Amino acid sequence: GDSVTQTEGQVALSEEDFLTIHCNYSASGYPALFWYVQYPGEGPQFLFRASRDKEKGSSRGFEATYDKGTTSFHLRKASVQESDSAVYYCALGDQGGRALIFGTGTTVSVSP
Amino acid sequence: EAAVTQSPRNKVAVTGGKVTLSCNQTNNHNNMYWYRQDTGHGLRLIHYSYGAGSTEKGDIPDGYKASRPSQENFSLILELATPSQTSVYFCASGDAYWGGAHEQYFGPGTRLTVL
Repeated sequence: GDSVTQTEGQVALSEEDFLTIHCNYSASGYPALFWYVQYPGEGPQFLFRASRDKEKGSSRGFEATYDKGTTSFHLRKASVQESDSAVYYCALGDQGGRALIFGTGTTVSVSP
Repeated sequence: EAAVTQSPRNKVAVTGGKVTLSCNQTNNHNNMYWYRQDTGHGLRLIHYSYGAGSTEKGDIPDGYKASRPSQENFSLILELATPSQTSVYFCASGDAYWGGAHEQYFGPGTRLTVL
């Protein structure tokens, strides 16, 4: 079945560091890909999505590019702030339009 | 205004007891979902619904039932709660567009502990 793999379970950074979270997917065709962010005590929040090869999604300084060739949708941010500390989830849209399939999440901790 | 609300926010239940988690959305979305969140597993789909009166099984439906009496409300029911169902439960709403490319909007979650 379709699946999403996030390589990093936890990432520790200092403010102004560059952030990369790796996301690879397994699915046929061109599934929609998403990034969500979850702050402590809250539900996941939609960041952005991409639906076509080479399409770039972005929001709040975060960005990711859909790459069909490497089946990837890596999240990047050039300069993180302490307020970016959160759990980040990569997800893909079920081809049947049923639901989202989430990765296991990456906890990002940014120290001042 | 919060568009997806859940109640209760915290619940302690006893093994074998019945638990009902409620969700309300004001997004006017057709689809609603129940997920559970566990360390190492991320978010896993339990049940979902395409509209009032419909419920469908997700990836981990065993031990759970769902009810969608109206467009706005979607409940998750644990008839005989077990300690393995201790988790954080999230409700979400969304609409499916072409190709399944849809966003979902989540509630704040319910922390359930089964003793």
